[in-house]
Amino acid sequence: NAGVTQTPKFRVLKTGQSMTLLCAQDMNHEYMYWYRQDPGMGLRLIHYSVGEGTTAKGEVPDGYNVSRLKKQNFLLGLESAAPSQTSVYFCASGRGLSNQPQHFGDGTRLSIL
Amino acid sequence: DAKTTQPPSMDCAEGRAANLPCNHSTISGNEYVYWYRQIHSQGPQYIIHGLKNNETNEMASLIITEDRKSSTLILPHATLRDTAVYYCIVFNAGGTSYGKLTFGQGTILTVHP
Repeated sequence: NAGVTQTPKFRVLKTGQSMTLLCAQDMNHEYMYWYRQDPGMGLRLIHYSVGEGTTAKGEVPDGYNVSRLKKQNFLLGLESAAPSQTSVYFCASGRGLSNQPQHFGDGTRLSIL
Repeated sequence: DAKTTQPPSMDCAEGRAANLPCNHSTISGNEYVYWYRQIHSQGPQYIIHGLKNNETNEMASLIITEDRKSSTLILPHATLRDTAVYYCIVFNAGGTSYGKLTFGQGTILTVHP
């Protein structure tokens, strides 16, 4: 029972490089989310998706792009990484219902030098 | 989404019950109370949720006051592995929140031998 799986777990990038973070869920959830967590701060929503083929901006979308080509996968892309994007990134999925919990992956720790 | 207030930190002896309070005095009728925890920067882990009735599962119990303005998460027999940051969240998947979970500062629970 994998739940929500994030790859990679760790990555170090140089400023200006690009990369894609992958989130996969096996619970057939419609909704998927990308959050970032910085030291001393709560989780902030970057982008989210309410179904296959849909994406929308969250609170802090600048510098990121996302895609949801398949229901089970939600990709987060950094086109030109900046040191301010050094963070821990969490993916979550859920049914989008008030009485159904969201489930989170274990995170991707990303450092931009 | 209604805001929550939690004590910044609490201690508990191993084997004893840990009672974590949460104030959510502005909660509305369709908002659920959720508890998550985060152990050492791992992904947030769902614990339990409820609307107005008390709830129990294999991890914890949730006691919600009759006026729903506050709640208590109970870990009946705390272990060292329960040391974590515990988040109380009020949540309504509808409206403009698009299913986003809003994490506050939480309570740092330290379980000591």
